[in-house]
Amino acid sequence: IAGITQAPTSQILAAGRRMTLRCTQDMRHNAMYWYRQDLGLGLRLIHYSNTAGTTGKGEVPDGYSVSRANTDDFPLTLASAVPSQTSVYFCASSVLGGGGHNEQFFGPGTRLTVL
Amino acid sequence: DQQVKQNSPSLSVQEGRISILNCDYTNSMFDYFLWYKKYPAEGPTFLISISSIKDKNEDGRFTVFLNKSAKHLSLHIVPSQPGDSAVYFCAASPSGNTPLVFGKGTRLSVIA
Repeated sequence: IAGITQAPTSQILAAGRRMTLRCTQDMRHNAMYWYRQDLGLGLRLIHYSNTAGTTGKGEVPDGYSVSRANTDDFPLTLASAVPSQTSVYFCASSVLGGGGHNEQFFGPGTRLTVL
Repeated sequence: DQQVKQNSPSLSVQEGRISILNCDYTNSMFDYFLWYKKYPAEGPTFLISISSIKDKNEDGRFTVFLNKSAKHLSLHIVPSQPGDSAVYFCAASPSGNTPLVFGKGTRLSVIA
C-alpha cells in the first residue's frame, strides 16, 4: 500500500530554473493539495484540486502552477524558481474536497533548496 | 488574517503528565476540527477530530474539547509519553468546497 508518493525526496535547484514536484496517490481520492511548510509559518496551502480537471488557488499560489489531468497525479511546477521558494513541500489527498470530516492524507514531503 | 491560531509555538511536559495544546479560531462557519501530528522528516498524520455539534471527543490517551462560544479547542494528551514529542497542527474545516485551514503548529516535547 503506497498511499501518497512524492518525488524527488530532496532537490537543490539554481534560481531561475524550472522544477516540477511530482505527487501520485493510489487511493482514488477525489481531492489533492499542495502545501509548503516553513519554520514558524506552519502549513500553507499553495493550490488544490477538488476533482480531476479542476484546480483552485490556496493561500500562497504565486510562482506555482498545478494541473490535474487524472485522479492519481497532481504535479506542482515552479516555472522560474526563486530562493524564497526554499521550503518543504507536502502533497496531500482526501476522499472529497471541502468541508466536513475531510481527513487529508499526506505524502512524505519534498525538501527543495533554491540557491 | 489568521483564521486558525495556535499561540504557543512550543510546549514542554514531563512524561506521565498531561499535555494541553490550544487552538483558537475566528470563523464561526467552521464545522469540523481536526488535529494532525507531525514527526521530523515525515508528513503530518491525522490524530483526532471533532464535529461542531459535539464538545468532546476521546480516543485513548487523546481528547479534544471544543468550546464554540469561545471559538476555542484544545487537545489533551494524558499520560504524555516521549513518543508524543512532535509538532501538532490544529485544522478547521469550512463549509462548502474550501480546503482545511491549518494553524502554525505547536511543538510538543515530552521529557522523560
